[in-house]
Amino acid sequence: QAQLVESGGGVVQPGRSLTLSCVASGFNFRYYGMHWVRQAPGKGLEWVAVIWYDGTYKHYGDSVKGRFTISRDNSKNTLSLEMNNLRVEDTAVYYCVREKSRGAGFDPWGQGTQVTVSS
Amino acid sequence: QSALTQPPSASGSPGQSVTISCTGTSADVGLYNDVSWYQQHPGKAPKLLIYEVFRRPSGVPDHFSGSKSGNTASLTVSGLQAEDEADYYCSSYAGTNDYVFFGGGTKLTVL
Repeated sequence: QAQLVESGGGVVQPGRSLTLSCVASGFNFRYYGMHWVRQAPGKGLEWVAVIWYDGTYKHYGDSVKGRFTISRDNSKNTLSLEMNNLRVEDTAVYYCVREKSRGAGFDPWGQGTQVTVSS
Repeated sequence: QSALTQPPSASGSPGQSVTISCTGTSADVGLYNDVSWYQQHPGKAPKLLIYEVFRRPSGVPDHFSGSKSGNTASLTVSGLQAEDEADYYCSSYAGTNDYVFFGGGTKLTVL
């Protein structure tokens, strides 16, 4: 069945960079829009970014615009999130998700990868 | 950007029905049928319950149902069971300017 596995999280100082990866399996990755969603400790879900199936369109949430870059490699079934100029408030579990329809029906969810920004 | 509005908590006894609301605007929930609901148990990743307002993915029990009226979507959990105790989140597509909004989440307690 469809599966997503995130990696690349860790502890990083404010202002530094980190790149997350997500490997997809069990479905035709190249046909689906993909998103990153995050959840800060004890908080709700926050949408981060989207990339269309062919990579031609990308959009970001206001809190990460200009600092984060989403990308994909359909030949390697891989989704990435490059995070620059990290802030303490970026601390969260980051999930990679597939959409069923535009901006909706996120399924499956990976196990998430923890990003902690701290000095 | 504005999140969708959900009540912070809801509760019911086993066997009862509970409805959780999700209020947006005429630019998101009211305009698009791309409304979804997710269930999250503590320490776990969210799970898709409902998409496109009322559709259930395979494997989701039919005591979960979704609906929408105007700018408000609703999730109804019928015949409450102990394992339904979890956090529930709604989301909506919001057009190419904002793309996706999530609700703040509702903690459902089974009494």
